[in-house]
Order: sequence, then structure tokens, then C-alpha cells
Amino acid sequence: NAGVTQTPKFQVLKTGQSMTLQCAQDMNHNSMYWYRQDPGMGLRLIYYSASEGTTDKGEVPNGYNVSRLNKREFSLRLESAAPSQTSVYFCASSDQGFEQYFGPGTRLTVT
Amino acid sequence: AQSVTQLDSQVPVFEEAPVELRCNYSSSVSVYLFWYVQYPNQGLQLLLKYLSGSTLVESINGFEAEFNKSQTSFHLRKPSVHISDTAEYFCAVSRLAGANNLFFGTGTRLTVIP
Repeated sequence: NAGVTQTPKFQVLKTGQSMTLQCAQDMNHNSMYWYRQDPGMGLRLIYYSASEGTTDKGEVPNGYNVSRLNKREFSLRLESAAPSQTSVYFCASSDQGFEQYFGPGTRLTVT
Repeated sequence: AQSVTQLDSQVPVFEEAPVELRCNYSSSVSVYLFWYVQYPNQGLQLLLKYLSGSTLVESINGFEAEFNKSQTSFHLRKPSVHISDTAEYFCAVSRLAGANNLFFGTGTRLTVIP
């Protein structure tokens, strides 16, 4: 049981480049989430997917898009990266118990 | 809307001393409460949670937290800390009904001094 996996672990982008962060879970959870973590700001929700086929905006969705590819996978896309998107990105999943399980994170730097 | 306040951004404490990490929340609806721990360069792990029942909840590694509805608090305590407890701790809330999104506090960095 790998839990929640994320790729890549590290990425450096130039301003204006695009990329997709991948997330997969093997716990058969219905809900999946993308957060960003910035120093002194805790974790902020970018997008979430309550179930397969649905996605909704969180607190800070601007500049991002998501795709719930199937029940296991939830990807986050940056269409045109900006320095303000330099952050650590975490994917999480949950089921009925409201406990969220987190992946190891992706450290993104935009120069 | 829900919000979480962790007033202490950093808490240094000597090994084997007690510690309390404070968490206050505001919400117009009933909530679930959580403490997560993040060790360096890792993701977040659930430490303990309050969903219902006894207001005092405990973790397997000696931490406990008490839900105080009147003071809207969920402070985390440990009577004797260990070097391995050095980490960042996040308090979070989730609504009872509707989408179970978590709202996080800004975190408290606990440093245990030998």
C-alpha cells in the first residue's frame, strides 16, 4: 500500500512555462485535494474533487486547473507558471472518516 | 466560514518538559477538529482528531488535545517531550456537513532542546 504518491518531487520552471503535477492514491478514496504550503501561511486548498467526475475550487484556485482522471488520479496543471506559484504542493485523499492522507509533496520553484 | 488561529509560530522547549500548543477556531457551524504533524521534508500525518464523544482525545505517542466548545479551542499537550517530537504542528477544522474540506492554521514549529 503506497498511500498517496506524487510526481515529481522537485521541479524548477521558468516564468510562463507549463507543467502538470501528478497524484495517485491506492486507498479507494472518493475525495482528493490539492494544497499549497507557503511559509507562515499553513496549507491552503487550491482545488478538490469530492468524487470521481467532480471538481471544485478551493481558497486559491487562480492560475491552476485540475483533472480527476479516474478514482485514483487527480492532477494539477499550471498553464503559465509565475514566481508567485513557487511553493510546496501537497495532494491528499479522504473517505468517510474525514481524515485526509497526504502525499510527500512537490517542491516547485518558478524563476 | 471556518478559520483557525495558532498564535505561537515557534515553541522551543527542553527535553522532558511539558508543552502546550494552542489552537483556537471560529465557525458558524459545528466542526470536526484535527492536529497534523509534519516532520522535515515530509508530508502531513494525522496526530489526533475529535469527531464526537469524549472531549479529550489522545494519540499513540503521548499527545492529547481537549475540545473546549465554550472557548472554541483545541489545544495540544504533551507532559514530557522527546527530541523526536521536533516538527511542525498544524491544527485544522472541517465542517460536519457538506464538503469535508480542511481549513488549516498557520502552524507551530516545536523545537525540543536537548
